[in-house]
Amino acid sequence: EDQVTQSPEALRLQEGESSSLNCSYTVSGLRGLFWYRQDPGKGPEFLFTLYSAGEEKEKERLKATLTKKESFLHITAPKPEDSATYLCAVQQIRGGSQGNLIFGKGTKLSVKP
Amino acid sequence: GAGVSQSPSNKVTEKGKDVELRCDPISGHTALYWYRQSLGQGLEFLIYFQGNSAPDKSGLPSDRFSAERTGGSVSTLTIQRTQQEDSAVYLCASSLAEATDTQYFGPGTRLTVL
Repeated sequence: EDQVTQSPEALRLQEGESSSLNCSYTVSGLRGLFWYRQDPGKGPEFLFTLYSAGEEKEKERLKATLTKKESFLHITAPKPEDSATYLCAVQQIRGGSQGNLIFGKGTKLSVKP
Repeated sequence: GAGVSQSPSNKVTEKGKDVELRCDPISGHTALYWYRQSLGQGLEFLIYFQGNSAPDKSGLPSDRFSAERTGGSVSTLTIQRTQQEDSAVYLCASSLAEATDTQYFGPGTRLTVL
């Protein structure tokens, strides 16, 4: 069964304490892996797309990496405003043009000043 | 520019009533998706529209759920005879054209069925 598993479910950090979030996936053919950020009461906000193993992307304090089985979202020197739920999603290679995302349950990050 | 908009932002209804949720995608986006986010669960795919092609309804949980997209733009998700388990946040996303394009999400509609 195709699935996406994120760990940990929740992560509490002190401001400036770097860490990583994990997303492991089992799908029959990966077209792309997506990271989103979701604040309470809002829709997911796009962060990154990764397409192939070895690929890395960075944005401010965030860096996403991809292997054949998992992706990591590294947060360097986080600030309180980085507190949010981080969602990982995969898109499968299928016949036709269908492109729905399969989401993990997310990691809720809290950064304390 | 304007992002994806959804209305209403909140909807409270009684069990057995029908509800309609609306999504306005980003202008020029031809692909539109509906997802559902239940408490403690990940986002769950419901339905996908791409241009004038027949929609992919493979994620709809029951025949009480339906959706349409008029004129290739606005979409309406209808839930008939609502049940308490339908309570969730319903999210709409749109993308430019291809299935591989980034999906941009709206703020969602929080549905509560009493």
